[in-house]
Amino acid sequence: KNEVEQSPQNLTAQEGEFITINCSYSVGISALHWLQQHPGGGIVSLFMLSSGKKKHGRLIATINIQEKHSSLHITASHPRDSAVYICAVAGWTGNQFYFGTGTSLTVIP
Amino acid sequence: DAGITQSPRYKITETGRQVTLMCHQTWSHSYMFWYRQDLGHGLRLIYYSAAADITDKGEVSDGYVVSRSKTENFPLTLESATRSQTSVYFCASSSGLVLGAFFGQGTRLTVV
Repeated sequence: KNEVEQSPQNLTAQEGEFITINCSYSVGISALHWLQQHPGGGIVSLFMLSSGKKKHGRLIATINIQEKHSSLHITASHPRDSAVYICAVAGWTGNQFYFGTGTSLTVIP
Repeated sequence: DAGITQSPRYKITETGRQVTLMCHQTWSHSYMFWYRQDLGHGLRLIYYSAAADITDKGEVSDGYVVSRSKTENFPLTLESATRSQTSVYFCASSSGLVLGAFFGQGTRLTVV
């Protein structure tokens, strides 16, 4: 069973398009995280959410606790946004971390 | 340099050998984590540590051992490597109990 499901698995977009990546989870959580993994393999934490919405530059993350759903939006996408985006949730104890398998985004110039 | 560093970046070892992956962070973060990343599974928690001398198992801890005698170091040891432990290993650290705000560059381990 997968505690975290992401969609789509793969996404190709034209530069400038608005992009949405979805994440659904099935466990109680203390926080939800969005991570970005570049082709070189490095992982960067983008957002940590426990409610509502956060914005950083062209990236917006939202969470609906009742629906157990989160979305990551990228406005005015750019080729440098090409990466794998990973949704992860943290439970209420230290070893309860669950990760989605990631959404591979390619933005074409 | 400030940050979190893993070594080695690449390692090939034989089945049955003991292997230690190193992780060092310079922020004095209390929490450190080890994850493995495999195709089809995403990242999975192996072990985490809340402070020096405090460690706890994650989802896939069998076959792994950790120690944390100093806050800045969190080595991961494969006691007797198996082919199923071929993976990319990520170390992470954070100041609070989150999954790891800062990640190392990863260690690609191949067990032959």
